[in-house]
Amino acid sequence: GAVVSQHPSRVICKSGTSVKIECRSLDFQATTMFWYRQFPKQSLMLMATSNEGSKATYEQGVEKDKFLINHASLTLSTLTVTSAHPEDSSFYICSARDPTSGGLTDTQYFGPGTRLTVL
Amino acid sequence: ELKVEQNPLFLSMQEGKNYTIYCNYSTTSDRLYWYRQDPGKSLESLFVLLSNGAVKQEGRLMASLDTKARLSTLHITAAVHDLSATYFCAVVADKLIFGTGTRLQVFP
Repeated sequence: GAVVSQHPSRVICKSGTSVKIECRSLDFQATTMFWYRQFPKQSLMLMATSNEGSKATYEQGVEKDKFLINHASLTLSTLTVTSAHPEDSSFYICSARDPTSGGLTDTQYFGPGTRLTVL
Repeated sequence: ELKVEQNPLFLSMQEGKNYTIYCNYSTTSDRLYWYRQDPGKSLESLFVLLSNGAVKQEGRLMASLDTKARLSTLHITAAVHDLSATYFCAVVADKLIFGTGTRLQVFP
């Protein structure tokens, strides 16, 4: 099946610094990628939809200036948490849509997640 | 706004027993997914249900979909400890909306 990777898997940073998380589709080209955030013992919440070559679409309540998304190629999307604060500590999961997935055009393949801890 | 609710939120069950997790959603959708998440891990896809009356089974898990009732069930048969995890349903509207999750704990 399709594989999506994330890097890093775990990051600890100081308050006020910026952190970049990469999401790669390894064996398919993903025109659309998604970024989710999951707080402990909660569900996944969609943050933004990232389309290759265009601006990301952010969900209501997500600060676009704080969570910068770049989808510069068909296999890579990045999420940069700018001026991170402790409340940004969370599990960030990306997913990628495989447009060739046999008619199930909404099939999303999930990355392994990135645990961000802001001190 | 599309809402996806699961119940129970937490389920503690003995090995060998059967139980059902319910997923209710508030608007029409043409597909529903079930995922498993182990602690500290990402999502593992279990099932995708595409039509009314769809039923899928894998091992001790069986999922069904009733689009008219906007209800999906995940039935666990003869639970074993390895099934301990959090289970999410997710519904496609204009985006994938996740349910609240059900944390399953299977004890001896």
